[in-house]
Amino acid sequence: DAKTTQPPSMDCAEGRAANLPCNHSTISGNEYVYWYRQIHSQGPQYIIHGLKNNETNEMASLIITEDRKSSTLILPHATLRDTAVYYCIVRVGGDYKLSFGAGTTVTVRA
Amino acid sequence: DVKVTQSSRYLVKRTGEKVFLECVQDMDHENMFWYRQDPGLGLRLIYFSYDVKMKEKGDIPEGYSVSREKKERFSLILESASTNQTSMYLCASSLTFFGRTDTQYFGPGTRLTVL
Repeated sequence: DAKTTQPPSMDCAEGRAANLPCNHSTISGNEYVYWYRQIHSQGPQYIIHGLKNNETNEMASLIITEDRKSSTLILPHATLRDTAVYYCIVRVGGDYKLSFGAGTTVTVRA
Repeated sequence: DVKVTQSSRYLVKRTGEKVFLECVQDMDHENMFWYRQDPGLGLRLIYFSYDVKMKEKGDIPEGYSVSREKKERFSLILESASTNQTSMYLCASSLTFFGRTDTQYFGPGTRLTVL
């Protein structure tokens, strides 16, 4: 069974921050949290990942709670091109064990 | 450009048949993936392979098996097709495995109907 749960959908206004939650209450100490997105019919694209510290890159920020049971992906200024399905994935570090969540469909509205 | 091809765009099979879905990529990628996508359920990972002859189960491997005898080819096998395996099947390949520049490239998909 997938190890993550996400809300099925959310709307966001263009230019505003989009906050996407993910629950991973059974995560173990050596599992990373990854976020990918699928735009329309394209293949999944890497966004960001983290273990226990908050992370930021040019696309997004990742906030992981201290107990690591949940995290939030933040798209700071959503654009129409950010409309996509966002997947929260846990992966054992340095290993090939991974599990997708069901994904959140994000619709950015003008 | 990366090219990922799948053997059939549409396939109709009967319950109990053994079904082979073939995927070929031409970019020498190490990693290949099989997903199914159903309306309202998003992508679900079935199996993946990070090297020739190496395979790992994804979230929903039951009823499926895979084969990777050559680097460019990754096959998904439905041992005994059932109606709940009616779905769109997507193959993907990637150069890196969950690396910072990772993007997976999809094939066109195979829409399988099991009667």
